[in-house]
Amino acid sequence: DAGVTQSPTHLIKTRGQHVTLRCSPISGHKSVSWYQQVLGQGPQFIFQYYEKEERGRGNFPDRFSARQFPNYSSELNVNALLLGDSALYLCASSLFGGRATGELFFGEGSRLTVL
Amino acid sequence: TQLLEQSPQFLSIQEGENLTVYCNSSSVFSSLQWYRQEPGEGPVLLVTVVTGGEVKKLKRLTFQFGDARKDSSLHITAAQPGDTGLYLCAGAGPSSNTGKLIFGQGTTLQVKP
Repeated sequence: DAGVTQSPTHLIKTRGQHVTLRCSPISGHKSVSWYQQVLGQGPQFIFQYYEKEERGRGNFPDRFSARQFPNYSSELNVNALLLGDSALYLCASSLFGGRATGELFFGEGSRLTVL
Repeated sequence: TQLLEQSPQFLSIQEGENLTVYCNSSSVFSSLQWYRQEPGEGPVLLVTVVTGGEVKKLKRLTFQFGDARKDSSLHITAAQPGDTGLYLCAGAGPSSNTGKLIFGQGTTLQVKP
């Protein structure tokens, strides 16, 4: 069975540009979460979507947005990129959308470099 | 704001040594998870602890959740080079009804042959 797949795996953008990152969850999983991991740090929660609705939002500016599609795949969009947005963006899927006692399955991430 | 502090941040040991990684907070968590992450990959779940005082063993790894559910530890016995990686603790807040996890900053472990 396929795990969580993310695309692209690596990308380079310049300041002010826009980026779209994509994630396909494990088949049967209805919840997708996005995390940002800056080099040398632990992941930071950005968004969670469950059944196509936003269930949680972390402390990120409005330049960050996301959505979930009927097939439960998800996109993370970041506008007006800043140098500080350079990070590994991780997508995680889970069966449920409630309190996280269940396992999160992470993809390999999208490595974004902003120049 | 809920924070998880991990210590140490870096650990370099010889094969066969024992080690303990700590994860501490002033906040209570409903559950705590430990993940291991290798370069270029996403974190992989090792264990979830839910009950205060709970101890779980996974081969040479022993995980403990503090009685007050504010802290946790990971102990590795007889470390092997294959244990090398970034170890992350992550907690779910008691009042959270979302899948949000709060991660510590991680402990980078290097086990030398």
